[in-house]
Amino acid sequence: AQSVTQLGSHVSVSEGALVLLRCNYSSSVPPYLFWYVQYPNQGLQLLLKYTSAATLVKGINGFEAEFKKSETSFHLTKPSAHMSDAAEYFCAVSRSPITFGNEKLTFGTGTRLTIIP
Amino acid sequence: KAGVTQTPRYLIKTRGQQVTLSCSPISGHRSVSWYQQTPGQGLQFLFEYFSETQRNKGNFPGRFSGRQFSNSRSEMNVSTLELGDSALYLCASSLRQGIGRTEAFFGQGTRLTVV
Repeated sequence: AQSVTQLGSHVSVSEGALVLLRCNYSSSVPPYLFWYVQYPNQGLQLLLKYTSAATLVKGINGFEAEFKKSETSFHLTKPSAHMSDAAEYFCAVSRSPITFGNEKLTFGTGTRLTIIP
Repeated sequence: KAGVTQTPRYLIKTRGQQVTLSCSPISGHRSVSWYQQTPGQGLQFLFEYFSETQRNKGNFPGRFSGRQFSNSRSEMNVSTLELGDSALYLCASSLRQGIGRTEAFFGQGTRLTVV
């Protein structure tokens, strides 16, 4: 079974400060890992994904994440927070490789990011 | 290129009724998955369809069902609605292009309220 744990349901950072959202995974097989962002009353938008290539993954909107197998972590970072980053962020895991029947994403409980002006 | 389209966006139903939600995937995408999002349970996988066949199913009661048509459009149906079925239902489509080359694109969801 696979799971992800997001530490901190709410995170507040000042505008211009570093954003760090934590995600730890549990998987009996090599995982594929994803970060999604959700704005109010919207669906999920993919920020970035790890699929066993480079361990440092760069995504959209200046976000990046590093896969650390030894720590079973996939934390999301952004050097300088912007007001528009305020949203809910979800870490997700799926089986690797993705074959028929393995499309299922298992999501963390989400982290709501607030940006302080 | 149009994204994933879910209709309707908002729906209010009464307990005991049934409801059908629709999802049109991105053109060319043949895999469609459904998720339920609630404040208490978060995002939970309902089922996945590929080539009109259910490939994977989450842990939901039989009142939740779905299907996929030959044009890859999908519907999900919930019968005998309960108050606890109130949620945002999200549909995601993905392109199967060999192992590892897939990512899920989500629609804006259908907000179902059961009263």
